[in-house]
Amino acid sequence: DAKTTQPNSMESNEEEPVHLPCNHSTISGTDYIHWYRQLPSQGPEYVIHGLTSNVNNRMASLAIAEDRKSSTLILHRATLRDAAVYYCIQGALQGAQKLVFGQGTRLTINP
Amino acid sequence: GAVVSQHPSRVICKSGTSVKIECRSLDFQATTMFWYRQFPKQSLMLMATSNEGSKATYEQGVEKDKFLINHASLTLSTLTVTSAHPEDSSFYICSARVSPFGGYTFGSGTRLTVV
Repeated sequence: DAKTTQPNSMESNEEEPVHLPCNHSTISGTDYIHWYRQLPSQGPEYVIHGLTSNVNNRMASLAIAEDRKSSTLILHRATLRDAAVYYCIQGALQGAQKLVFGQGTRLTINP
Repeated sequence: GAVVSQHPSRVICKSGTSVKIECRSLDFQATTMFWYRQFPKQSLMLMATSNEGSKATYEQGVEKDKFLINHASLTLSTLTVTSAHPEDSSFYICSARVSPFGGYTFGSGTRLTVV
């Protein structure tokens, strides 16, 4: 069973920042927080993942709460191409451990 | 970046026939691959974990005799849907972890329609 909870949907405007929340209150010390997004009729796309510290890459930033029970994916300047379903997943620290997907957040970007 | 190439992207088959879906890891070796199924407007559901050189591990409720998984090399895993029925129509996706501490990469998916 998925161990994270996310809002079903969110809406934002183009060129504005977007903050996508995720709760993972049962996370263990060996679990990473992964974020993936999926466009219609495509496989999921890796966005970012982290363990304890905040993480940044060219796509997004990941802000992890100090107690690690929640995190926020930040899209700094949304574009229409960012409209997708975003999945937050807690997964094993190391090795090829399975990822269990929850329902995700459907992000709509308004022009 | 590392890519998982999945083929075919779309297939239509008749009831009772079998369909094979291939996933190849490009530029990296995948000792483990994961197979998911996704119905319209739903999330991905993990079907099985494919291990190179050994038997796959199936999730509860997934029929191993219907969904045959073969992972004969470090770069290729296949899923065969045997005796397909219309209820098997779905979007099938494979995935692999590129490095021990890295993210996962996903295939582009296969849209299976059984008529």
